Amino acid sequence: GENVEQHPSTLSVQEGDSAVIKCTYSDSASNYFPWYKQELGKRPQLIIDIRSNVGEKKDQRIAVTLNKTAKHFSLHITETQPEDSAVYFCAARPSGYALNFGKGTSLLVTP
Amino acid sequence: DTAVSQTPKYLVTQMGNDKSIKCEQNLGHDTMYWYKQDSKKFLKIMFSYNNKELIINETVPNRFSPKSPDKAHLNLHINSLELGDSAVYFCASSLPSGSTEAFFGQGTRLTVV
Repeated sequence: GENVEQHPSTLSVQEGDSAVIKCTYSDSASNYFPWYKQELGKRPQLIIDIRSNVGEKKDQRIAVTLNKTAKHFSLHITETQPEDSAVYFCAARPSGYALNFGKGTSLLVTP
Repeated sequence: DTAVSQTPKYLVTQMGNDKSIKCEQNLGHDTMYWYKQDSKKFLKIMFSYNNKELIINETVPNRFSPKSPDKAHLNLHINSLELGDSAVYFCASSLPSGSTEAFFGQGTRLTVV
């Protein structure tokens, strides 16, 4: 099955700095790569996703890049704010199967 | 309107008991899932149903039995609860296509004492 590795497990940045989270996946059939944000005690919620026919996608302060050859994808958050503090999960999905998640990155943005 | 709702939100029970968690989605999705999130926050797929049929059953003890009466509902029944079953269980749903978002319920925090 699909195996998703995510790094780092914790990340602390100062407000205004950028944060980068990296993931690798194992199944070359995976074609969908979402990123979820989970605040304490809440459900995971999608913040951005990318499909295998695209190399980069941006939505305001958030961007995701995908390198299918190397089987890795990354989340970039610019101009971080304290409300960005949460656990972030990457995931990969081979077509027709469930999302397989990385182990999460706990991001702390300090004022 | 809640898209994916699960009940109860909290469940505290003794070892050996049997309990159920219910999940309903009003998004018209064909595919529903159960995920387990342990104390280290790892989200692990347990089951996946497509149009009431089981399509994924990860390595989960057979004390866990999902039931899908229709494509809008996926319930999880757990027999003979053990301490290690304590976790947050999330229901989710999506369209069957591989390239679409999964929507999560609010989670059920199960504590076995």
